[in-house]
Amino acid sequence: IVLTQSPATLSLSPGERATLSCRASQSVRSHLAWYQQKPGQAPRLLIYDASNRATGIPARFSGSGSGTDFTLTISSLEPEDFAVYYCQHRNNWPLSFGGGTKVEI
Amino acid sequence: QVQLVESGGGVVQPGRSLRLSCAASGFTFRTYTMHWVRQAPGKGLEWVAAISYDGSNELYADSVKGRFDISRDNSKDTLYLQVNSLRAEETAVYYCARGTTNHYFDYWGQGTLVTVSS
Repeated sequence: IVLTQSPATLSLSPGERATLSCRASQSVRSHLAWYQQKPGQAPRLLIYDASNRATGIPARFSGSGSGTDFTLTISSLEPEDFAVYYCQHRNNWPLSFGGGTKVEI
Repeated sequence: QVQLVESGGGVVQPGRSLRLSCAASGFTFRTYTMHWVRQAPGKGLEWVAAISYDGSNELYADSVKGRFDISRDNSKDTLYLQVNSLRAEETAVYYCARGTTNHYFDYWGQGTLVTVSS
């Protein structure tokens, strides 16, 4: 399964809303997660099963979608949210990630 | 707290081998599926391999099947990745990650860099 993320880069200001897209080459039902990665750090799990926030993740992060089209929304960008975001499916093996979306200032 | 600490990376010539390790602490290691995920410099994430909680099942990405071997020692709370016949394009940071019951990754190590170069 190929995951295609768009846009590749999103240029926004603090306080703005960010909308990131992940499209799967075939249905993954709701079996999709989102991760955040900052430079020099390991990824962090944000959302699992399309819409469930992981432990400790702020409410400004939300996920939606099912089948082949998914969205990660950050309702109001905080300075610490500028990072790269990846989607990942777990519908079958092999697991795979999207190519990432960079959210920059 | 959950900690995963990788080691064993370094510079290796094409075609050679390395053994990566991941020491786990802060959770009951023997009850979790564990994974290796890699990231080439400036690139995205690539799932590499997974091993079931008891080591009875192993899964690999097609790109590494037959060359990489994932294993674990539950008595030592340690995960391993034997990487053989390395290629230049496999230069990457190799992360170990704890798997959730639904095959997501909820904790990651800091990664160990493997550089394949002559």
